[in-house]
Order: sequence, then C-alpha cells, then structure tokens
Amino acid sequence: ETGVTQTPRHLVMGMTNKKSLKCEQHLGHNAMYWYKQSAKKPLELMFVYNFKEQTENNSVPSRFSPECPNSSHLFLHLHTLQPEDSALYLCASSPLRGANTDTQYFGPGTRLTVL
Amino acid sequence: QQQVKQSPQSLIVQKGGIPIINCAYENTAFDYFPWYQQFPGKGPALLIAIRPDVSEKKEGRFTISFNKSAKQFSLHIMDSQPGDSATYFCAASVTQGGSEKLVFGKGTKLTVNP
Repeated sequence: ETGVTQTPRHLVMGMTNKKSLKCEQHLGHNAMYWYKQSAKKPLELMFVYNFKEQTENNSVPSRFSPECPNSSHLFLHLHTLQPEDSALYLCASSPLRGANTDTQYFGPGTRLTVL
Repeated sequence: QQQVKQSPQSLIVQKGGIPIINCAYENTAFDYFPWYQQFPGKGPALLIAIRPDVSEKKEGRFTISFNKSAKQFSLHIMDSQPGDSATYFCAASVTQGGSEKLVFGKGTKLTVNP
C-alpha cells in the first residue's frame, strides 16, 4: 500500500461539516482517480485527472469538489454531505497508456460515515 | 454498452477447489481486462490482467481465460486456499481523454473453507 496512500482512513462527519480527503501516489503516474464504493454496487468512477487537468466528472454532485495540485496529490473536498454519501472512497493512479502495466493502482480507501 | 456483467455474486468452495468467476462485456472498444482482489478494509489490488489478443494468461494459481468472439472472460483459481477468500472484481478498460477508464463488474465474494 505504499504506492498510493490515503488519509484519513476513517472519517465521521455531520451533514454540515466540511472535510477533505487526501490521496498521494508515489508511483510516478500521471493520471489520478476518485471512486466511490458502496455496498452491493459496482465501483463508481467520480473524477479523473490527467496531468493535473480534470478530464472527467461523472455527474458527481457539487457537494464533492476535487482538487489536483500536481500529478502526485489529489484531494476530495466534502461539504454538506448526505447520509447516503457514506461509503468507501478510493483513490487510484495509473501511468500513461502503453506501459507494460498500464492499469490503475488503488489506495486503501477512506471509510466515510455521514451522520 | 459500458457495463461489465459479473457472476456469480458469491461463491463458496472447499480448500483445493477451483472457483470460476465469469464476466461478459458489450463494448468492443475495451482493450484491457484486469482482475482485482479486495480484502475487507483494503483497496482493490491488481491480481492479473489480459489483453484481447491472448486467449489465456496464467500467473501462479490464477488463470484468465478470454473468449473475444463471445466477449467473455473468466478467472480460475487453482488449488484455492482459505487466504484466497476475498471479493474479486473483473474490469474492462478503454482509453478516454488520454487516461484509462475502467468499468467494473459488481464483484464476487469468494469464501474458501478449510
């Protein structure tokens, strides 16, 4: 898990709170991703960043706000969340396409509970 | 067309058995098919992957069989062990906007009994 790290690992917040999730990758990758994993659902892609530029927003509500200051760091800012937003939030990174192992590597996730 | 259908949802085998997990896709633009293994409290970890120009890939006890014409692929775990108990996700990949878009199946929870 040292390749992609996420903090905090667990977070409990009220609906009026503002918090941020942090992801850092040490793999030299150029693309970073946020996913939401809920029980009994496929992994849901939220955002994609390629060379610090957002290339995909998968119809995510504005109460989730991503930030990618450089290719190694990715944040997810949270505000006025709903209880149904409780889930495991996963960060991933990938190299440029064409590399021998050109797929995504995941962090351990942040388990978020919204009260 | 962007879906990956995975079955079964759960699977229980005895130690030494050969669990098989199946996936099917529609989009012929997919060009890379990884499998991920996820233990409770952990993120998914890449297990094995295959490209559509190959019909089979084996790494240790894990084998992917790929049928391009049927648009199906499967994971076989030989001589399964209790430590293999985890949730397994198949995925299909396509490049969009210079980065990889992965579409995941819903997962299969595998239990290997001692």
